[in-house]
Amino acid sequence: GQQVQQSPASLVLQEGENAELQCNFSTSLNSMQWFYQRPGGSLVSLFYNPSGTKHSGRLTSTTVIKERRSSLHISSSQTTDSGTYLCALEPGTGSNRLTFGKGTKFSLIP
Amino acid sequence: ETAVFQTPNYHVTQVGNEVSFNCKQTLGHDTMYWYKQDSKKLLKIMFSYNNKQLIVNETVPRRFSPQSSDKAHLNLRIKSVEPEDSAVYLCASSWTFEQYFGPGTRLTVL
Repeated sequence: GQQVQQSPASLVLQEGENAELQCNFSTSLNSMQWFYQRPGGSLVSLFYNPSGTKHSGRLTSTTVIKERRSSLHISSSQTTDSGTYLCALEPGTGSNRLTFGKGTKFSLIP
Repeated sequence: ETAVFQTPNYHVTQVGNEVSFNCKQTLGHDTMYWYKQDSKKLLKIMFSYNNKQLIVNETVPRRFSPQSSDKAHLNLRIKSVEPEDSAVYLCASSWTFEQYFGPGTRLTVL
């Protein structure tokens, strides 16, 4: 089965609303990464978060290893936040290989 | 399932040597990418290649060069490695928005 599951697959909100994206994993974790991908563009790394909570502007990432989940919270979403958000698991086996979720496609309604 | 293949998994070399990393995708995608993931785990785009059009991140040193024989292959050559080149190099491919990543090649420069 898939090691990293992201939800929801797609999310449509109105501008100004808060968004919560989830990533659940089934294997041992060294760290979770969150990426942003603008439509038609390449990936931008948002967070490298092995555990706990990290903040960057309107973005917050929380990784809870015991519960095998990581979340990305976007507060007061703006139209420029539209795109695909990907989480990627760095396994706890010492491997450098990343396992990506399938992403959440996030769209804003002005 | 793995559809973007990278070799080798790891490579250790000395300063000044030339290295080449291979990437192949079997998804029929028309665009391929190379990313560098540094020690801070930040992922940065290096190159994207589509229909013989190469887009280069201007911050990439000139000792790096992509090499493509067809749209399924995009290799990365480093002419004379430097210590700061130690990193994980990720290859990816896409058709529209979603990118599929290879497992990465970890380069260590002594």
